[in-house]
Amino acid sequence: GAGVSQSPRYKVAKRGQDVALRCDPISGHVSLFWYQQALGQGPEFLTYFQNEAQLDKSGLPSDRFFAERPEGSVSTLKIQRTQQEDSAVYLCASSPGGGERHTQYFGPGTRLTVL
Amino acid sequence: KNQVEQSPQSLIILEGKNCTLQCNYTVSPFSNLRWYKQDTGRGPVSLTIMTFSENTKSNRRYTATLDADTKQSSLHITASQLSDSASYICVVSGYSSASKIIFGSGTRLSIRP
Repeated sequence: GAGVSQSPRYKVAKRGQDVALRCDPISGHVSLFWYQQALGQGPEFLTYFQNEAQLDKSGLPSDRFFAERPEGSVSTLKIQRTQQEDSAVYLCASSPGGGERHTQYFGPGTRLTVL
Repeated sequence: KNQVEQSPQSLIILEGKNCTLQCNYTVSPFSNLRWYKQDTGRGPVSLTIMTFSENTKSNRRYTATLDADTKQSSLHITASQLSDSASYICVVSGYSSASKIIFGSGTRLSIRP
């Protein structure tokens, strides 16, 4: 069956531009997570949705980062006025249940490069 | 200090050999520990999950152990194959908080023919 998909796979932005990254989770999955992964590092938590509710956004590094999941399915991570330090792979994961106990299924990520 | 520390950072072994990767954590309270495999350019894929009461869990050639008293886990790979070349990431979850899902930096494993 279809897994988690993300688009675009690669994005190059000039410093100061706004970008929008899309995540299509596995159909029916309740939970959706966004992570930021720097080169050679493990993913770091950004935000978490349960259905359409954003239950935890404590990992968003600044108010330039905004995420939404308006219908409890597709999610968009938006970064305004991109900076070079935003360059990273942005991973989306979904899981069938709520909370931390369920296995997360990851998408392939979007590699963002800010010039 | 990172709450999940992995060692070694990188490892090169010959095809067919065994290896063991280590994970130490300080996340508390503890809910579960997972090992993920991440191929280059791909998202992580879950290998094993263990809760507080489980000491060992196997998945094909992968065997994970957990000592919740010393807060240590290991991932043992038997009879390595070229396709095992990847990063292996230890992930520890605390209770009742999505932000308490802490990823280690991973061990980059390379299998040589």
